[in-house]
Amino acid sequence: SAVISQKPSRDICQRGTSLTIQCQVDSQVTMMFWYRQQPGQSLTLIATANQGSEATYESGFVIDKFPISRPNLTFSTLTVSNMSPEDSSIYLCSVVPLNGNTGELFFGEGSRLTVL
Amino acid sequence: AQKVTQAQTEISVVEKEDVTLDCVYETRDTTYYLFWYKQPPSGELVFLIRRNSFDEQNEISGRYSWNFQKSTSSFNFTITASQVVDSAVYFCALSESYTGANSKLTFGKGITLSVRP
Repeated sequence: SAVISQKPSRDICQRGTSLTIQCQVDSQVTMMFWYRQQPGQSLTLIATANQGSEATYESGFVIDKFPISRPNLTFSTLTVSNMSPEDSSIYLCSVVPLNGNTGELFFGEGSRLTVL
Repeated sequence: AQKVTQAQTEISVVEKEDVTLDCVYETRDTTYYLFWYKQPPSGELVFLIRRNSFDEQNEISGRYSWNFQKSTSSFNFTITASQVVDSAVYFCALSESYTGANSKLTFGKGITLSVRP
């Protein structure tokens, strides 16, 4: 299993500012993903965080808006840049454990951002 | 492209009723994995089940059961004798793999289940 800690758990931000969300896992993982859940909506994959290289972004998401870092096998950050009210969402980190064989993708508790 | 459809948006039942949550998926892959997650009001995603495309056996876990039918591309979830604690949003999801880059999930829109006392 994997225990994921996301920080901050929630925040209220001003339009035009940027916020960095951290995802820390208590064990090494192979894959780390970042998802967005807009209010009342489903989860949409933003990008795959690749260790030591640029993240792989899904259609509709770009690096300038959502820069991602992954310096090692247990940690990743997602920055939401130049925020607007449309960025108000829950952002979730998801991981695949290094020794996982149950097929369970673990999710953090999410970071709930409100942009005014 | 993969797609998951959860046609039901909201379901309300009285405690102890049985309820079935529908999930229909689309994929061109011959190997794929289906998931159900529960998201209670607190917001965290709780893993319920993973099923691969080669295993069509139905599964039962306590009050939960899942019916996977490849012929109709459906993976339905039934809660027997529902309880108030079952109130949550339930997501069906699909991936090409459960390891590697293809373990990324495509989610359905979710079904909000309300169980009234």
